Amino acid sequence: QQQVKQSPQSLIVQKGGISIINCAYENTAFDYFPWYQQFPGKGPALLIAIRPDVSEKKEGRFTISFNKSAKQFSLHIMDSQPGDSATYFCAASMRTGANNLFFGTGTRLTVIP
Amino acid sequence: DAGITQSPRHKVTETGTPVTLRCHQTENHRYMYWYRQDPGHGLRLIHYSYGVKDTDKGEVSDGYSVSRSKTEDFLLTLESATSSQTSVYFCAISGTSGNYNEQFFGPGTRLTVL
Repeated sequence: QQQVKQSPQSLIVQKGGISIINCAYENTAFDYFPWYQQFPGKGPALLIAIRPDVSEKKEGRFTISFNKSAKQFSLHIMDSQPGDSATYFCAASMRTGANNLFFGTGTRLTVIP
Repeated sequence: DAGITQSPRHKVTETGTPVTLRCHQTENHRYMYWYRQDPGHGLRLIHYSYGVKDTDKGEVSDGYSVSRSKTEDFLLTLESATSSQTSVYFCAISGTSGNYNEQFFGPGTRLTVL
């Protein structure tokens, strides 16, 4: 059972456009929501993360929007660039224990020049 | 890759043989994790460690065992490899101060079981 559902599976965006990836969860005990970026042949790299006490977090061109009541969060990539072409994973974890991450299934983003 | 190395980086083995993957960190982080990555599943936790000799099961632990005799090393063992264990394996680490939820991943080991 996938604890974090991610969509779309793949996404093609023109250079300069906005890329939007969505995730949803059910477990209300989750209190940390990171996004990871992965290039082929590499390990996932932490991109940006949010906690449920805020509705939005922005770092450069990357923004997380968080809707606690809907149990959804999304990643927005503004002014998308070909170098952003990668696979993106959302994840969630709880404060207790070893903070194990539960991942979405990934979105392969392709930014066309 | 945040002071994390994995070895080997690639391995091809045959069904029924034992395999051990190694994760080594230089960050002195308390927590270490093993994940597997498969198409359509994202990353799934196999086992994790919260200290030397302290380990616990994750979501997909069947067929795997782990050991941590030193802070810096976390070993994943497939006692008798099966074709379903063909995957890319990632080690991750996490600290206990500041943003303790942040996990940092190694470069991965691609394992093929024939």
